[in-house]
Amino acid sequence: GAVVSQHPSWVICKSGTSVKIECRSLDFQATTMFWYRQFPKQSLMLMATSNEGSKATYEQGVEKDKFLINHASLTLSTLTVTSAHPEDSSFYICSARRDRDTNQPQHFGDGTRLSIL
Amino acid sequence: GENVEQHPSTLSVQEGDSAVIKCTYSDSASNYFPWYKQELGKRPQLIIDIRSNVGEKKDQRIAVTLNKTAKHFSLHITETQPEDSAVYFCAASIRMGWGKLQFGAGTQVVVTP
Repeated sequence: GAVVSQHPSWVICKSGTSVKIECRSLDFQATTMFWYRQFPKQSLMLMATSNEGSKATYEQGVEKDKFLINHASLTLSTLTVTSAHPEDSSFYICSARRDRDTNQPQHFGDGTRLSIL
Repeated sequence: GENVEQHPSTLSVQEGDSAVIKCTYSDSASNYFPWYKQELGKRPQLIIDIRSNVGEKKDQRIAVTLNKTAKHFSLHITETQPEDSAVYFCAASIRMGWGKLQFGAGTQVVVTP
């Protein structure tokens, strides 16, 4: 159990394009989802916390108008990178937690490799 | 906020030997400590976790210890195998902030046959 699906797995697009990434919990309801960014050979950097039915909470330094997060249901959260530029190229990974118990593990999606030309 | 430090950054071990990775955290309110294994280009996979009311947990060749007083926790892998080669991340979660995780910098483990 606790499967998290993320799509697409790879995106290559031109500068200025907006890209939407989906994160789905397939076999459980995720009240909280998290979005991370990971550069090569670096750790996971939390971008924002997404709670179903409410606005996402962004980490310091992350532009909320640049990275739009929508958590419309208990099984789906989306991250839209608006007007993407080469510096936005990175590995984006979502995770989901089964319930509101903060001591429960986060389960990660397979990640989306975003390349902006 | 929480700060997690992880050491070493790289670890080379001979197959069959043990590997130990250590992490320290700064926020005494942290109460959940997972360890993730990430292979190149893949998602982090939870390998073991420990909660603040427990001092040690073991799952086959993997064990984690927690010292709340000193605010550090460690991952122990015994009888290492080549398939243990990966990057390992420790993390600490705090109750505030919906249990978001602060990750360590990661440890590249290489197990040589």
